[in-house]
Amino acid sequence: DIQMTQSPSTLSASVGDRVTITCRASQSIGTLLAWYQQKPGKAPKLLIYQASILQSGVPSRFSGSGSGTEFTLTINSLQPDDFASYYCQRYNNYPTHFGAGTKVE
Amino acid sequence: EVQLVESGGGLVPPGGSLRLSCLASGFSFSTHAMTWVRQAPGKGLEWVSSISGSGGSIYYADSVKGRFTISRDNSKNTLYLQLHSLRAEDTAVFSCAKHRTSGYVLPPLDFWGQGTLVTVSS
Repeated sequence: DIQMTQSPSTLSASVGDRVTITCRASQSIGTLLAWYQQKPGKAPKLLIYQASILQSGVPSRFSGSGSGTEFTLTINSLQPDDFASYYCQRYNNYPTHFGAGTKVE
Repeated sequence: EVQLVESGGGLVPPGGSLRLSCLASGFSFSTHAMTWVRQAPGKGLEWVSSISGSGGSIYYADSVKGRFTISRDNSKNTLYLQLHSLRAEDTAVFSCAKHRTSGYVLPPLDFWGQGTLVTVSS
């Protein structure tokens, strides 16, 4: 079973910062990785899929990169609305797994 | 507009059972795989189970295999999750989610419901 390691677990940042979150897979998953944003009490929102494709309606300050075992979510010029938790999810096969999450505060 | 509305959660004693429902609208339900994800209080997302559009392919997390059953009624645009032999560690908000790509059994998940809380306690 391929495990996902997401880091950091918490990230302190300020408006305007460039923020980077990393997800590592224990084995290669190609580019079958998604990123989600979740705000307290709200449903998760799909940001990026297939490692780097921006979901429709998601601001262009969000970007994803990587393939194989190492992936990155970058937020350029952090906005007040971006303070939230972020999760990666590998979906190369079942069982699918989410990373443990990163809280941006 | 895609809408997913879960129901059926509540307080149940250890060993008890519940059936969760997810009523879907705003998209072609029968052509999209669906997934249940849970989130324990203050914790991260945990994949629980997925089912293909036809219902012919079903997948479970090891933590729920043999205790939970996923199903769907495409005539009613409704997804179900039957929970049996519930444990305290099953306490969580259970959310249903739609798969982004029609006809594809794997994620990503592009729309999520708000969830229904299941509390397992005596």
